[in-house]
Amino acid sequence: GAGVSQSPRYKVTKRGQDVALRCDPISGHVSLYWYRQALGQGPEFLTYFNYEAQQDKSGLPNDRFSAERPEGSISTLTIQRTEQRDSAMYRCASSAVPSGANVLTFGAGSRLTVL
Amino acid sequence: AQSVTQLDSHVSVSEGTPVLLRCNYSSSYSPSLFWYVQHPNKGLQLLLKYTSAATLVKGINGFEAEFKKSETSFHLTKPSAHMSDAAEYFCVVSDSGTYKYIFGTGTRLKVLA
Repeated sequence: GAGVSQSPRYKVTKRGQDVALRCDPISGHVSLYWYRQALGQGPEFLTYFNYEAQQDKSGLPNDRFSAERPEGSISTLTIQRTEQRDSAMYRCASSAVPSGANVLTFGAGSRLTVL
Repeated sequence: AQSVTQLDSHVSVSEGTPVLLRCNYSSSYSPSLFWYVQHPNKGLQLLLKYTSAATLVKGINGFEAEFKKSETSFHLTKPSAHMSDAAEYFCVVSDSGTYKYIFGTGTRLKVLA
């Protein structure tokens, strides 16, 4: 697509439920990143992919968080057994090629609220 | 490992006066540096980037930043603030070793009429 698309834009869930957040990157972009941004904070790195390979998942807070990008395009970030502390804006970004010099283009984000 | 420090969490300036938002970085490899802006309830937009070419980088909306290796700094400036510049600004470092983009904690810019 023309931009990075994230869905849902807003998700309210109850503690203990699983949630799946979807990211559709710019068409042809190789690299895909997930970030989490708490209110009043900067985006915090979670994980990133080149094509379908997860290159770095060091930012995932614990094993309740997982991400996949099975066909090297759309990615899903899954949070199992959600907790209130998981409430945040989850942002996805993509870049054309694997390079620290490339611009990241961000989606509008998915705001997760865990009650 | 990379890291970035934004020295001011809040900056207030009067409209028409200069803006200075400070950023220091740490990187094991040759860094790339970026500034992103986030307006209220909006996404992150790239202002400018440095990737080992000219050390003075010009961005959108009259912003520029200078890469100073000796000071490990990448401060963002604008000669004359406009009301529409009020937003949160993030300094970002990445390097060719990890391809990981690390964000600072942000500086909230307030522009007074």
